[in-house]
Amino acid sequence: AQSVTQLDSQVPVFEEAPVELRCNYSSSVSVYLFWYVQYPNQGLQLLLKYLSGSTLVKGINGFEAEFNKSQTSFHLRKPSVHISDTAEYFCAVAVDSGAGSYQLTFGKGTKLSVIP
Amino acid sequence: DTGVSQNPRHKITKRGQNVTFRCDPISEHNRLYWYRQTLGQGPEFLTYFQNEAQLEKSRLLSDRFSAERPKGSFSTLEIQRTEQGDSAMYLCASSLARKGGADTQYFGPGTRLTVL
Repeated sequence: AQSVTQLDSQVPVFEEAPVELRCNYSSSVSVYLFWYVQYPNQGLQLLLKYLSGSTLVKGINGFEAEFNKSQTSFHLRKPSVHISDTAEYFCAVAVDSGAGSYQLTFGKGTKLSVIP
Repeated sequence: DTGVSQNPRHKITKRGQNVTFRCDPISEHNRLYWYRQTLGQGPEFLTYFQNEAQLEKSRLLSDRFSAERPKGSFSTLEIQRTEQGDSAMYLCASSLARKGGADTQYFGPGTRLTVL
């Protein structure tokens, strides 16, 4: 079975500073990796995804992530954060369930607070 | 393309009542997923449809829960005899099947259920 660990439950960072949100996964098969963002009382918005190809993935709002197979990690980074980045971020892994679906297994989330 | 929509956005009910939620996926998306998110946790998979066929159900989906996707379009999730432990955000996601790998799921805004 696969699992996702988000190492930090809360990350405070000053505006315009860089940020890294950490994500590690465990799976014995090929994985596909995603980062979603959730604003209060809303659904999840896709930030970026790794399906195949280049291990450095660029997403929306200036975010990027790097897939590292040897370290089983998929950390999310942004060089300069904005107040509007304050939200909860979820890392997720998808594997073939064998029934045709690629259900997502999520981490517990990291709350990013950007301090003015 | 209006995205995934869910109704109602909020539902308050008394313990023992039945509730039904609706999800309208992105048009032409043939896959539909339901997830449940409790406070402080990431979403957890409940069930999956490919067109109108329900192909997978989580062990979280007790016999009080039932989901349908008639004609492969919108989907409904019904909870019978609600319990306080059913209080959560219920999220729907849709996707287009992709050959040889994971699909990308797009989430709706969710239905927040409160059971008193």
